Amino acid sequence: EDKVVQSPLSLVVHEGDTVTLNCSYEVTNFRSLLWYKQEKKAPTFLFMLTSSGIEKKSGRLSSILDKKELFSILNITATQTGDSAVYLCAPRDLQGGSEKLVFGKGTKLTVNP
Amino acid sequence: DTGVSQDPRHKITKRGQNVTFRCDPISEHNRLYWYRQTLGQGPEFLTYFQNEAQLEKSRLLSDRFSAERPKGSFSTLEIQRTEQGDSAMYLCASSLSSGRAGSEQYFGPGTRLTVT
Repeated sequence: EDKVVQSPLSLVVHEGDTVTLNCSYEVTNFRSLLWYKQEKKAPTFLFMLTSSGIEKKSGRLSSILDKKELFSILNITATQTGDSAVYLCAPRDLQGGSEKLVFGKGTKLTVNP
Repeated sequence: DTGVSQDPRHKITKRGQNVTFRCDPISEHNRLYWYRQTLGQGPEFLTYFQNEAQLEKSRLLSDRFSAERPKGSFSTLEIQRTEQGDSAMYLCASSLSSGRAGSEQYFGPGTRLTVT
């Protein structure tokens, strides 16, 4: 059965801190891994990772995938209060043909001023 | 707004009633997904359409649930004889078939269902 474990489940930091969010996964037929940010609404897309070792960056956020060790990390530097959200990791499972996303429980990040 | 839209945004219903939700995907997207999210959990896959064909259903989708995408555009999700355990956020996502790695799925705002 597919399994996604995110850690930590919850994190409280001060503005300006750097955080690293972890995601380990086991999916039957892995193709890529996506990261989403969820505030009190629907998840919004951050990154899609397909290859090991290639860092994706967007402003203060960056992410990398290790397909051999089956994990991904999301880094946020110089955190701001607007980064407060739940960050969801979702590997894509091709079994069944749907390319469905298998989500972890998420990491709840709180950035205090 | 050209994103994924869902209607209604909130639905309160009594146990045993039927409810129907609608999802309008991004217009050129041929793939459509339904997920369910409960408090403290990530979204869980329910079902998937490619164009008008429903190609995969999760075992979470009991026979009280049915989904359609009749013309390959909007989709509906119906829950019959609702139970309190059906209370959740129902999310719709769409994407475009794209390469071996697939493409990102874009989510709608969700329909929050409360069964009393």
